[in-house]
Amino acid sequence: EAGVAQSPRYKIIEKRQSVAFWCNPISGHATLYWYQQILGQGPKLLIQFQNNGVVDDSQLPKDRFSAERLKGVDSTLKIQPAKLEDSAVYLCASSFGTGSYNEQFFGPGTRLTVL
Amino acid sequence: GNSVTQMEGPVTLSEEAFLTINCTYTATGYPSLFWYVQYPGEGLQLLLKATKADDKGSNKGFEATYRKETTSFHLEKGSVQVSDSAVYFCALASRANSKLTFGKGITLSVRP
Repeated sequence: EAGVAQSPRYKIIEKRQSVAFWCNPISGHATLYWYQQILGQGPKLLIQFQNNGVVDDSQLPKDRFSAERLKGVDSTLKIQPAKLEDSAVYLCASSFGTGSYNEQFFGPGTRLTVL
Repeated sequence: GNSVTQMEGPVTLSEEAFLTINCTYTATGYPSLFWYVQYPGEGLQLLLKATKADDKGSNKGFEATYRKETTSFHLEKGSVQVSDSAVYFCALASRANSKLTFGKGITLSVRP
């Protein structure tokens, strides 16, 4: 079974530029998550989708971050404009449903460096 | 809100040593508890989980017991191997929502 796919794996941009990350979840998984993992910290949830609807975006900095999951499958996360403190690994995860008994499967992540 | 506290690292052990990594949590209600592992160059993987008090999760020789009275979920392994070198994250999720709250993680290095 194919896992969660993410691209690109690495991205280097200058501050104030924009960037977009792509995620393809495991087939059949209705729930999709984007996490931000800053060096030396655990991942922090940015946004959670159930199909193409947002379940939780309380920690998403909405002045610069946006995310969509238009057809309930793939998702994109965008940052515009980027700041130095956005340097992190952005992880996508998916699960069959919501509820703590649903295991989340993580992609390899996109490492963003903002100069 | 929910939070997870892990012991400070890094931890360096010799092969076949006993491992304990401490994890305590703060949460309302009865969360599910998890240990995730990140091997070098790989993504996060679920190592084990426990969904109610006194449950013991186990996998690959690792164990952790859900202790509600001490709000802890310490990870243990009786004899570590070099291949166990990785970053270990403790996490919790509330019953209603699968949103994970992670600790800071701890790096384990096992030397031959």
